[in-house]
Amino acid sequence: QSALTQPPSASGSPGQSVTISCTGTSSDVGGYDYVSWYQQLPGKAPKLIIYDVAKRPSGVPDRFSGSRSGNTASLTVSGLQAEDEADYYCASYTANNMRVFGGGTKLTVL
Amino acid sequence: QVQLVQSGAEVKKPGASVKVSCKTSGYSFSTYSLHWVRQAPGQGLEWMGWINTGNGNTKYSQKFQDRVTFTRDTSASTVYMEVNTLTSADTAVYYCATEGTLMIFGKWGQGTLVTVSS
Repeated sequence: QSALTQPPSASGSPGQSVTISCTGTSSDVGGYDYVSWYQQLPGKAPKLIIYDVAKRPSGVPDRFSGSRSGNTASLTVSGLQAEDEADYYCASYTANNMRVFGGGTKLTVL
Repeated sequence: QVQLVQSGAEVKKPGASVKVSCKTSGYSFSTYSLHWVRQAPGQGLEWMGWINTGNGNTKYSQKFQDRVTFTRDTSASTVYMEVNTLTSADTAVYYCATEGTLMIFGKWGQGTLVTVSS
């Protein structure tokens, strides 16, 4: 099972929007409504911010949103804030009841 | 509240084995399956596999199929991950995480650093 493909880096200025892509196949991202996103701050464990492609857990700001088109899922962070600077990972359920993560994207707030 | 507390950092020599524990609390043990995810220094997250805490069934990523074993102790609400034949490439932080509904890794342990060095 190959890792999902994410851009290594993304950036934006405070107040702007940035979108991070996550490309898989029809056997993972495109085949199931079980895509989630995680935010990881330096030295910390990952934190769930999006599940089921586009749902937000309680407590996660609505500046974070998820979507999918075909085999590519996307995370959009609107109204960027300095505290959003972190690593972001997508993850997907896959055929044969496996799971797979993306390679991660480092988001920089300029 | 749901908590996952992992065992402390380990330093091992190449060829040795390591066993990491993940003690759960704050919920009925069999409610969530437990997944293991590792992160090498400066690298991304890598899914290793999972254990059904209710019946003990396991599923491993192909990469770890031959060297990793997940077990559980229901009386202690604890799951264990053992990695055999360690190499320097296994140096990483190992995390346990709960999964209730598919792909919702809702709660994570604090991570256990395993260092493999001669």
